[in-house]
Amino acid sequence: KQEVTQIPAALSVPEGENLVLNCSFTDSAIYNLQWFRQDPGKGLTSLLLIQSSQREQTSGRLNASLDKSSGRSTLYIAASQPGDSATYLCAVYTSGSRLTFGEGTQLTVNP
Amino acid sequence: DVKVTQSSRYLVKRTGEKVFLECVQDMDHENMFWYRQDPGLGLRLIYFSYDVKMKEKGDIPEGYSVSREKKERFSLILESASTNQTSMYLCASQPGQRTEAFFGQGTRLTVV
Repeated sequence: KQEVTQIPAALSVPEGENLVLNCSFTDSAIYNLQWFRQDPGKGLTSLLLIQSSQREQTSGRLNASLDKSSGRSTLYIAASQPGDSATYLCAVYTSGSRLTFGEGTQLTVNP
Repeated sequence: DVKVTQSSRYLVKRTGEKVFLECVQDMDHENMFWYRQDPGLGLRLIYFSYDVKMKEKGDIPEGYSVSREKKERFSLILESASTNQTSMYLCASQPGQRTEAFFGQGTRLTVV
């Protein structure tokens, strides 16, 4: 059974810092991986989808990488801002279109 | 932009009531999903649908049913609400297999 782990569970950084969020998965036979952002009490917002054949995907200040063989993905956030404060979730596609989620990293960016 | 709309942001229902949660997507997506999210348990898949009138059980289907009569609408039904169904419910849709998933704004359901 696929398990997804995100470490750390919480992270607090000063504004302007570059940071990395980690996601690991136990079964490397994944198709795609998706990163989401969730603000308190809200739904999930899609940030990036990395297909299994890709190693990286970029959107603005965000860069996500995928290393299937080691079962890891990272989300790099450049020049963090207070508005980046949220919970970040990664999810992997294994069979069909089912997603298995990690529990998220709660990020706080302090002004 | 893809829009996934859930009918209510907040709901309060009594134990034993039949509860309907509605989800509508406007991008002709094939796949639709219902999840619940609880602290310490993360997101768990309740039911999903790959096509109109088709449904498949997820990881925690007990106490729930679904309906997909039209492609754009996926309803979650709590047959007889119980307090352990108090949760955040999230609907999602996808264009096709293993494509980008888009979520609604969530429904916070409280069963008293």
